[in-house]
Amino acid sequence: GNSVTQMEGPVTLSEEAFLTINCTYTATGYPSLFWYVQYPGEGLQLLLKATKADDKGSNKGFEATYRKETTSFHLEKGSVQVSDSAVYFCALSTTGTASKLTFGTGTRLQVTL
Amino acid sequence: EAGVAQSPRYKIIEKRQSVAFWCNPISGHATLYWYQQILGQGPKLLIQFQNNGVVDDSQLPKDRFSAERLKGVDSTLKIQPAKLEDSAVYLCASRPPRQNTEAFFGQGTRLTVV
Repeated sequence: GNSVTQMEGPVTLSEEAFLTINCTYTATGYPSLFWYVQYPGEGLQLLLKATKADDKGSNKGFEATYRKETTSFHLEKGSVQVSDSAVYFCALSTTGTASKLTFGTGTRLQVTL
Repeated sequence: EAGVAQSPRYKIIEKRQSVAFWCNPISGHATLYWYQQILGQGPKLLIQFQNNGVVDDSQLPKDRFSAERLKGVDSTLKIQPAKLEDSAVYLCASRPPRQNTEAFFGQGTRLTVV
């Protein structure tokens, strides 16, 4: 079946450090890939997405590239801020209008001054 | 555009009691999901509806959990009787009937079973 594997957290970084959160997936066919973010006490929000191989999703300084050859969708940001502290979830969706949405376990990011 | 609405935001019940959660998806969204998120874990799909039909309920503990989506709009998720291990955040999400779109999440209902 479909699955998503994320690097375990927590990840603790100083402000302005470079961030990478690894995500790999297993799926049949050509899934769409997503990063969602969950700030404390809030629901999940879409951060970025990519729907086909070699697509790059980007938002708020975050980027991730859909790599079919390595089945990966790693999240990166060049310079993190304290306000980026949150839990980040990688997810995949199968094709079709009634497609399933499968999440990884999440990676907590804590950014300190 | 209004988002996904869930209620209540918080609920505390004793074990063996029953509880119900309500979700109002974004208008026009055919797909509705209920997820259970235990502290420190990723969301786990409980049930997925396409309009008012069930697409996937393979991980729904059917001896105690039930869900319905009448008229393909609002949905309720019920637990009866609740167990301590049901303590979690219950997330509702909806998705438009287009390929490759994201799901939109409500703020969730935090359930504590004591």
